[in-house]
Amino acid sequence: KQEVTQIPAALSVPEGENLVLNCSFTDSAIYNLQWFRQDPGKGLTSLLLIQSSQREQTSGRLNASLDKSSGRSTLYIAASQPGDSATYLCAVKVDNYGQNFVFGPGTRLSVLP
Amino acid sequence: NAGVTQTPKFRVLKTGQSMTLLCAQDMNHEYMYWYRQDPGMGLRLIHYSVGEGTTAKGEVPDGYNVSRLKKQNFLLGLESAAPSQTSVYFCATGRGYLEKLFFGSGTQLSVL
Repeated sequence: KQEVTQIPAALSVPEGENLVLNCSFTDSAIYNLQWFRQDPGKGLTSLLLIQSSQREQTSGRLNASLDKSSGRSTLYIAASQPGDSATYLCAVKVDNYGQNFVFGPGTRLSVLP
Repeated sequence: NAGVTQTPKFRVLKTGQSMTLLCAQDMNHEYMYWYRQDPGMGLRLIHYSVGEGTTAKGEVPDGYNVSRLKKQNFLLGLESAAPSQTSVYFCATGRGYLEKLFFGSGTQLSVL
């Protein structure tokens, strides 16, 4: 059974720092991986989607990488801002027609002004 | 353009009561999903639909039913609510099976 873990569970950094969030999955047979942001009391917002054939995706200050063989993905946030404070979750798509995604527990990020 | 809209936002039920959660989308997406989010358990798939008139079970379907009579709406029903169904429920949609997921803002449900 696919399991997704995220380390660290929580992270606090001063504004302006570059940071890396980690996502690990146990089964490399995935179709894609998504990174999401969740603000308190809100739904999830998709940040980046990496297909299994891709190595990385970039959007603004965000860069996500995928290493399927080692079961790892990282989300790099450059020049962090207080507005980046949120919980970041990764999810892997584990089957085709079945449509299921397996979500990690998330990393709660606080960026201090 | 509202995206994915969930109603209601909050609800308190007594054990044994029934209710329906509505998910409405205006993005013309084929795929729709219902998830529940619990502390320490993460997001888990309850039911999903790959198009109008279709539904399928996810990871935790027991105690729930769904219907997708119209492409834009996906309903989640609880026939006899139990305290174990206290959770935050999220609806999500996707254009295709390899596409991004778009989430609603959630429904906080408490069953007493």
